[in-house]
Amino acid sequence: ETGVTQSPTHLIKTRGQQVTLRCSSQSGHNTVSWYQQALGQGPQFIFQYYREEENGRGNFPPRFSGLQFPNYSSELNVNALELDDSALYLCASTKALDTGELFFGEGSRLTVL
Amino acid sequence: RKEVEQDPGPFNVPEGATVAFNCTYSNSASQSFFWYRQDCRKEPKLLMSVYSSGNEDGRFTAQLNRASQYISLLIRDSKLSDSATYLCVVPSGGYQKVTFGIGTKLQVIP
Repeated sequence: ETGVTQSPTHLIKTRGQQVTLRCSSQSGHNTVSWYQQALGQGPQFIFQYYREEENGRGNFPPRFSGLQFPNYSSELNVNALELDDSALYLCASTKALDTGELFFGEGSRLTVL
Repeated sequence: RKEVEQDPGPFNVPEGATVAFNCTYSNSASQSFFWYRQDCRKEPKLLMSVYSSGNEDGRFTAQLNRASQYISLLIRDSKLSDSATYLCVVPSGGYQKVTFGIGTKLQVIP
């Protein structure tokens, strides 16, 4: 087990709704990244948080936003949900910025109807 | 050209066979590379890191060819438990952005 926990594990929403996903990073890890993985695809980088600041962002619209808290846990918020937002959302933590070794949580599987 | 390209497979191989996957990348400035393993409906887990020419860990060997901008993963003596999707990962812009390939699906057959 990586020590990275995500909640909820599964959820169903309808178009236009908003969702908040949560992630607790592994102890000692100060960097959290979020990924979206659609069925049959590799994970797509959404953004990264380091010391409570956004530290990099992929090609996702502004309705995808996030937060990192002083204890390094993090939230991913998605507004105005679309059908294509249905995916597995993965959170990964790392010890610092200078490592590419990612420790993933088990993910939150979002279905948008 | 995509940032990271992989053959999605599936690769169906018998137990005991040797199988190799390639991954090409477009960012010539990338310095390190990773292979992750993802079981069905599970999270990815780090399999191997590749920082220079290559890395070996038991039955698994990863190699890097900077001139041709590809990395490879070789699995010897395939086991049923090796059945999974293997994701090639290339950090860019430091580690602020990490790009995953689509993954190569391996099915080891009894």
